[in-house]
Amino acid sequence: GQNIDQPTEMTATEGAIVQINCTYQTSGFNGLFWYQQHAGEAPTFLSYNVLDGLEEKGRFSSFLSRSKGYSYLLLKELQMKDSASYLCAVGRLTGGGNKLTFGTGTQLKVEL
Amino acid sequence: DTGVSQDPRHKITKRGQNVTFRCDPISEHNRLYWYRQTLGQGPEFLTYFQNEAQLEKSRLLSDRFSAERPKGSFSTLEIQRTEQGDSAMYLCASSLTIGGPETQYFGPGTRLLVL
Repeated sequence: GQNIDQPTEMTATEGAIVQINCTYQTSGFNGLFWYQQHAGEAPTFLSYNVLDGLEEKGRFSSFLSRSKGYSYLLLKELQMKDSASYLCAVGRLTGGGNKLTFGTGTQLKVEL
Repeated sequence: DTGVSQDPRHKITKRGQNVTFRCDPISEHNRLYWYRQTLGQGPEFLTYFQNEAQLEKSRLLSDRFSAERPKGSFSTLEIQRTEQGDSAMYLCASSLTIGGPETQYFGPGTRLLVL
C-alpha cells in the first residue's frame, strides 16, 4: 500500500518562508505532486517532481528525494492568501493511468 | 472558461434516494478521474477513464456506485440508495497524456449531503 505523512497544521508570518514536509512509502512511483486547497474549494495544482532535486515556480518550490521518500514544498514571501491546506500526493501507475494518493493535508495559517 | 466543470455544486438528498453528478473535463483531455473527499482528509481515488473506457475502480466504489463516460467527453457518477456515509465532496479531475507524469486538474466538486 501507500503511506503519506505530512504535518497537520503550521503557522507562519506574512513575508516569511515556510517549508512543508511530506514523507511517503509507495511502489510504482510516478511523481510527487503538490496541490493547494482553500476551504470549500477544489485542489489547485502547484507543482510536481519526478526526479530528485528542486523545482522552482515563482514563490513556490518543491524538492524531492526518491531514495528517502521525502519531499517538501517551500513557500516564500508569504501572503495572507496563502492560508490554505497543502496536499502532498504520490502518483502511481495503474492500468496506464496515474492514480494519486493524497496525504491528509497541512493546514497553513499565515498571520500578520 | 476552459477548466473542469461539475454539476450540481451542491446536492442534498434523503437516505435511499439516487443521485447523479456530472463532470465536464477540460476539452481534449483524454483521462478523467473521480475522487471523494471528506472533511479533514485528502481526496480518495474512486475510478478513472481513458477516453470512454473505465480502467480501474477502487474498492471504495461499492455496487451502489456507477460511473460512465459514454462518448469519452463528459462523465457521470451515480449513487443508488444513498446512505449517510456517502456524504462527501465528489471531485472530478482531468488530464492529458502527452509524455511524463500527467498533471490532473480538478473541478470545483459536488458537495453531497445525505440526510
